[in-house]
Amino acid sequence: SQTIHQWPATLVQPVGSPLSLECTVEGTSNPNLYWYRQAAGRGLQLLFYSVGIGQISSEVPQNLSASRPQDRQFILSSKKLLLSDSGFYLCAWISRSLIGYTFGSGTRLTVV
Amino acid sequence: KQEVTQIPAALSVPEGENLVLNCSFTDSAIYNLQWFRQDPGKGLTSLLLIQSSQREQTSGRLNASLDKSSGRSTLYIAASQPGDSATYLCAVRSGAGSYQLTFGKGTKLSVIP
Repeated sequence: SQTIHQWPATLVQPVGSPLSLECTVEGTSNPNLYWYRQAAGRGLQLLFYSVGIGQISSEVPQNLSASRPQDRQFILSSKKLLLSDSGFYLCAWISRSLIGYTFGSGTRLTVV
Repeated sequence: KQEVTQIPAALSVPEGENLVLNCSFTDSAIYNLQWFRQDPGKGLTSLLLIQSSQREQTSGRLNASLDKSSGRSTLYIAASQPGDSATYLCAVRSGAGSYQLTFGKGTKLSVIP
């Protein structure tokens, strides 16, 4: 069965510090991978998506970047966090043969 | 640009009541529509997915309908239970090649024992 893992679950970081959030998918190959951010009162916003290793598309210009070093690994990064980067970050995937999206358990990031 | 609206933003009902959550979207040229549940501080759990060619999907006490021409979907929850308390999100995928879902802001449901 397919599973998606996201970590850490909670993170408190000072302004200006770096960030690395990791997402991995098991039980499938060549998935489409996504990073979403959920801010209070604003709904879910797509940040990045990837259709293959090394292929990253950005939906919103921002302080964040994404990388896909392996087929089932998707990483969200920042060199210097801003207060506005606080939020709930969700990783999601969809396989070539499935039609529905599956989400990870999320990371609550608080920038202080 | 696709926009998804969910009404009401919050709903409180007594246990045992049947209820309907509403979702509307501005562009009827959708590929599918997916309903999710989100518990506080947790990720999204997929409840039901309706393809654009379908009119409804059922899973247990949940029934989702889709009227693509009018840009509307409803999620019907029968015999509500306190464990149904959560935020329910509607998301639209606009094309087979589309890479993203467009989400509504959700309806926060509270079922009172």
